[in-house]
Order: sequence, then C-alpha cells, then structure tokens
Amino acid sequence: DQQVKQNSPSLSVQEGRISILNCDYTNSMFDYFLWYKKYPAEGPTFLISISSIKDKNEDGRFTVFLNKSAKHLSLHIVPSQPGDSAVYFCAAWTTGTASKLTFGTGTRLQVTL
Amino acid sequence: DSGVTQTPKHLITATGQRVTLRCSPRSGDLSVYWYQQSLDQGLQFLIQYYNGEERAKGNILERFSAQQFPDLHSELNLSSLELGDSALYFCASSVDWQRQETQYFGPGTRLLVL
Repeated sequence: DQQVKQNSPSLSVQEGRISILNCDYTNSMFDYFLWYKKYPAEGPTFLISISSIKDKNEDGRFTVFLNKSAKHLSLHIVPSQPGDSAVYFCAAWTTGTASKLTFGTGTRLQVTL
Repeated sequence: DSGVTQTPKHLITATGQRVTLRCSPRSGDLSVYWYQQSLDQGLQFLIQYYNGEERAKGNILERFSAQQFPDLHSELNLSSLELGDSALYFCASSVDWQRQETQYFGPGTRLLVL
C-alpha cells in the first residue's frame, strides 16, 4: 500500500517558469513532510520540509504548501533553473515515534532552456 | 558531498550468492538507515540502527540482515540473492534516531543480480 504518492513520474518546465510538483498521502498520522532532490549517481539530498502545524514553508526559490484536509502537498520552484533538473521525492513521517520516513516514487523534473 | 560513504559503488553477482554492502555515516552521526530503491519505486525503508542497536525495521526480507559496529559503520548483508534484489541500496545517517528530517544520504550501491 503506497501511503505517499507522486502521480506524475515526470514534468518538463521552461527555464524561468514555475515548477509545481505534487504529492498525496493517505496516512492521517503523518505530521511532518519533506522534499528530497536527487541527481543521477548521487544520494537524495534534503531540500525543504513542513510541519503539519503550518500550511506553507518558504526557502528561497522553493516553497512547500500543505493542505491537510486534502492530504496533499506541493513543491513550487520559482523561477525554475536548469540546475533544478533532478528527481524530487516527497517523504512523510510521524514525529515522536519510531516510525520510518515513507517516500513517494519520485517525479523527474526537466527544466529546459 | 553528504559525508556518508558507501562501498562498493557497483556490484554484479549471480543468483544465490551473498554480498555485503558497507556504509560509513557522517562524523558524529549515531543513527544509520538502509533503503532499497528498485526500478520505478520510491525509497523503501529497510532498517535503522542507533549507536549499535536496531531501532526500527521496515520491509526487510529475512534473507537480508544488517548490523552497526562500535565504530558506527554499518553493513547490510544480502544472501540467497534473487533477480528481484537488483536495486540501488542507499545508506543514510542522522544525529539521533528521532531527527529523521536531517537524514544525509550516501551515493548508493547499485546491485545487479544476474
């Protein structure tokens, strides 16, 4: 049972435009959400996170939005740059427990010139 | 560079064989996690160790085992290998077992079982 879903395996965006990556989850116990970025031949690197007590977190060009009622989060990248081309993983976990990080299957973002 | 090292980078072996994957966490990190990423799959959590002790277990097969040594490096042992075990295996580390949001990942070991 896939508790964290990224339904778009790939996304292509022009340089300078906004990239929006989506993630849905089913487990209502999740209260902390993260986005990781992965380049080929490298491990995932932490990008940005959000706690369920917030609905938005911003870090430079990256903003994560959380809609708890819809069990949906999204990552916005503005403006998109060629160096943003990578695979983006959404992850979730339940704080204060020994639960594990649960990852989505990833979305491959291609930023074109 | 995350500071987490994994060896080997690539491994090709045959069905039925046994392999050992090695991970050295970042300096100061006590917790080590192992993940498996198969084709078109997200990262599947396998197991977590904290300061030498098993802390959490995920979807780890009985044919797989892991341990964390006193110097905090960790090894993942995969035995009786099957074709379906071909995957990328990532190790991650963090300062303590609760700070999962600050997991730092190694570059992974790509295992191919023929």
